[in-house]
Amino acid sequence: AQSVTQLDSHVSVSEGTPVLLRCNYSSSYSPSLFWYVQHPNKGLQLLLKYTSAATLVKGINGFEAEFKKSETSFHLTKPSAHMSDAAEYFCVVSDGSNTGKLIFGQGTTLQVKP
Amino acid sequence: NAGVTQTPKFRILKIGQSMTLQCAQDMNHNYMYWYRQDPGMGLKLIYYSVGAGITDKGEVPNGYNVSRSTTEDFPLRLELAAPSQTSVYFCASTLESLVFFGPGTRLTVL
Repeated sequence: AQSVTQLDSHVSVSEGTPVLLRCNYSSSYSPSLFWYVQHPNKGLQLLLKYTSAATLVKGINGFEAEFKKSETSFHLTKPSAHMSDAAEYFCVVSDGSNTGKLIFGQGTTLQVKP
Repeated sequence: NAGVTQTPKFRILKIGQSMTLQCAQDMNHNYMYWYRQDPGMGLKLIYYSVGAGITDKGEVPNGYNVSRSTTEDFPLRLELAAPSQTSVYFCASTLESLVFFGPGTRLTVL
């Protein structure tokens, strides 16, 4: 069965410093992986997705993620945090059934300090 | 396109009451889903549908029912509301690997 584990429930960075949000996945096939962001009391916005093309995926707002099969990881990074990046981030894997069902990680809260 | 729309945005129910959460999409997507998000957690799949007339259970279907009489609409029914159903409910639809989420319905059961 497919699953994702977000290794940190809470990450705090200073504005202008790099962001690293860690995600490990478990999948019996080549997965489709996603990162979603959720600002307080808002819906979910897709940051980026990996679907077996390039292993380094660039997303919106300067975020990117690297698919590493050997480490079963899909960590999200950004070179320089902005105050507006403070939000909840979800690592997500498709369940592999071709029905589009998604399996969510527990989420990582990103705090950005001035 | 309006995308995925949900009504209502907020609702407070008393234990034992029933209600229907509405979801509609105007993108002609065959696949639609209902997820719930509990505080501090990721989303969990309640029910999904791969086309009009076809529905199936997800990870947490107990206490809910769905129907899919048209491609556009996918309502979620709570028959006997319980405090454990206090959550934020998200409807979604899919085109290939791209999932579109609605804005959510915040439901409180007291």
